[in-house]
Amino acid sequence: DAGVTQSPTHLIKTRGQQVTLRCSPKSGHDTVSWYQQALGQGPQFIFQYYEEEERQRGNFPDRFSGHQFPNYSSELNVNALLLGDSALYLCASSLFHRGVKNIQYFGAGTRLSVL
Amino acid sequence: AQSVAQPEDQVNVAEGNPLTVKCTYSVSGNPYLFWYVQYPNRGLQFLLKYITGDNLVKGSYGFEAEFNKSQTSFHLKKPSALVSDSALYFCAVRDMGGNNRLAFGKGNQVVVIP
Repeated sequence: DAGVTQSPTHLIKTRGQQVTLRCSPKSGHDTVSWYQQALGQGPQFIFQYYEEEERQRGNFPDRFSGHQFPNYSSELNVNALLLGDSALYLCASSLFHRGVKNIQYFGAGTRLSVL
Repeated sequence: AQSVAQPEDQVNVAEGNPLTVKCTYSVSGNPYLFWYVQYPNRGLQFLLKYITGDNLVKGSYGFEAEFNKSQTSFHLKKPSALVSDSALYFCAVRDMGGNNRLAFGKGNQVVVIP
């Protein structure tokens, strides 16, 4: 049973560029959430996707956007990269119908460095 | 808005001694509380959760946590620490209003000394 997988594992970009990160949820899961973990900090919620729609959004600018595909996998896109976007980006999957009792399972993350 | 506080940056403990990692929370209504562990270059691994019921919750790898509503705390404990428990531990809260986002603390680095 595959867990949450993310790609790539590491990425180096320059300021102003655009980046796409990918996530495949745990088998059987239908909901994907994205978090940003800056160095020395806890993860911060970016947004959550279910049924190919953004359901909730944290305090992140519109430069951060996402998509969910029919197979439940998801992409996180960041435009006009800033140095402050350097972080570990974590994807978490869960089952929507379990509501607030669900457990989010995390992938290993993508380490993004913006130079 | 919901939030958690993990007051200590680092917890040092000798192998075999009890381990405690502290967490306090702030949320409207009753909380759903979680502990995750993060090893170097790895994602977060789920340890345990409190939803309702018994205040003492047992989780993976011998960890447990005690929910205390009056003190708004959810401290993580392990009776006898192992060197392999050295990692970064995160407390998280989700409120019961149907909002599925998790609010994490800043994390505690646990160092178990052989």
